[in-house]
Amino acid sequence: ELKVEQNPLFLSMQEGKNYTIYCNYSTTSDRLYWYRQDPGKSLESLFVLLSNGAVKQEGRLMASLDTKARLSTLHITAAVHDLSATYFCAGTSGSRLTFGEGTQLTVNP
Amino acid sequence: DVKVTQSSRYLVKRTGEKVFLECVQDMDHENMFWYRQDPGLGLRLIYFSYDVKMKEKGDIPEGYSVSREKKERFSLILESASTNQTSMYLCASRPVGAGYGYTFGSGTRLTVV
Repeated sequence: ELKVEQNPLFLSMQEGKNYTIYCNYSTTSDRLYWYRQDPGKSLESLFVLLSNGAVKQEGRLMASLDTKARLSTLHITAAVHDLSATYFCAGTSGSRLTFGEGTQLTVNP
Repeated sequence: DVKVTQSSRYLVKRTGEKVFLECVQDMDHENMFWYRQDPGLGLRLIYFSYDVKMKEKGDIPEGYSVSREKKERFSLILESASTNQTSMYLCASRPVGAGYGYTFGSGTRLTVV
C-alpha cells in the first residue's frame, strides 16, 4: 500500500526567501503529482512528474523527482505572498492517487 | 479546459437521510474518483470507477456507495447519513494513460446535523 508523507506540515516564511517542501513515498509510484489548494477551494494541478530525475518549473516553483530515494521536492524561490496556500503531493498506484497530508504555506510580507 | 462539475457547493442534511452527491465531467474521461477531505487527515479515496458500471473501493468506502451509469457522471451515495460524514467531498476525473493529471471539481461541503 502506497503511503505518502510530506514535511513540513506548516511553513511560515518571509517574502523573498527560498524553501523546499519534501515528499517521501513508501513504495514504487508510477507518477508523482503536486497540487495547490487555496482556502475553501478545490485542488489546482501544478506538476506531473513521470520519471527519475524529472524536473519541472513554473514561475517561482520547481518540482523534482528522485525515484531511487522515493523523494520529490517542491522548491520555492523568492517567495511572494500570492504563494500562500496548502500544497499537496500525491503518488499513484495504478489509477489510485494517494495524497500526502499537505503543507500549509504562509508567506509573510 | 476539462470541467468537472459537482452539483452542489454546500449541502445540509439530517442524520439518516439518503444523500446523493453528483459529479459530471465533460471530456470523456474513463476514470472518476470520489475523495473526502478532513482537517488533519488530508484527502482520502472513497471509491473510484474506471469505466461505466465499474467501481472499486478506495480506502474508506464504509457508509458509501457509488453509481456510474453513464461515462460522464459518477454519483456518490450516502445510504444513511451520519454526523461523522460531515466533510468536504471532492470529485476528480482522469483519462487513461501516463502523464495525464487528475482534474478536480470545486467540491461539495456536506454538513450532517
